[in-house]
Amino acid sequence: EIVLTQSPGTLSLSPGERATLSCRASQSVSSTYLAWYQQKPGQAPRLLIYGASSRAAGIPDRFSGSGSGTDFTLTISRLEPEDFAVYYCQQYGSSPLFSFGPGTKVDIK
Amino acid sequence: EVQLLDSGGGLVQPGGSLRLSCAASGFTFSSYAMSWVRQAPGKGLEWVSAISGSGGGGRTYYADSVKGRFTISRDNFKNTLFLQMHSLRVEDTAIYYCAKDYSGAYDFWGQGTMVTVSS
Repeated sequence: EIVLTQSPGTLSLSPGERATLSCRASQSVSSTYLAWYQQKPGQAPRLLIYGASSRAAGIPDRFSGSGSGTDFTLTISRLEPEDFAVYYCQQYGSSPLFSFGPGTKVDIK
Repeated sequence: EVQLLDSGGGLVQPGGSLRLSCAASGFTFSSYAMSWVRQAPGKGLEWVSAISGSGGGGRTYYADSVKGRFTISRDNFKNTLFLQMHSLRVEDTAIYYCAKDYSGAYDFWGQGTMVTVSS
């Protein structure tokens, strides 16, 4: 069973700073099937990145994804006020069929 | 415009049953795999179940935590996804979201429906 681990649990940053979020898998994950989501309180998650590095429709280019194998990264180049939220990574294809990481909360320093 | 409208949540006693629905519009529903994802209060996201599109024969998949108790199904004529839940437990308390598959990710989500299992 694949387990996704995200670090740090909480990231305290100021607007304009760079955010680097990590997602590590217990076994190799196909890059084709690694995604990142943003969730704000009271809202459904929003797809940011799919295929490890492809931005979803309408996602600003300050969001970027990278990585392969067991280590993946979501980078927000310059934090905007609306970017403070919880971010989840997700894999598809290994047992269980889908799974999510525990999330990283990006809050205002 | 793609829309997913979740409904059917509510308060149910442990051991009870509930049926969730997700009405889809704005895309060719039958062609896409669909899933249910839940989120317990203050917790992270947990995949619950998935069903393939017509190309995949409507094959179903379940998380171990719900296998044998939950059944996912779809009505491609009514563009609706279902989750029949039996033998509900306190730990099934969560917001349940339906989500549309996009190459192994979820590009659209419903607004969620709250299921509370409590005596």
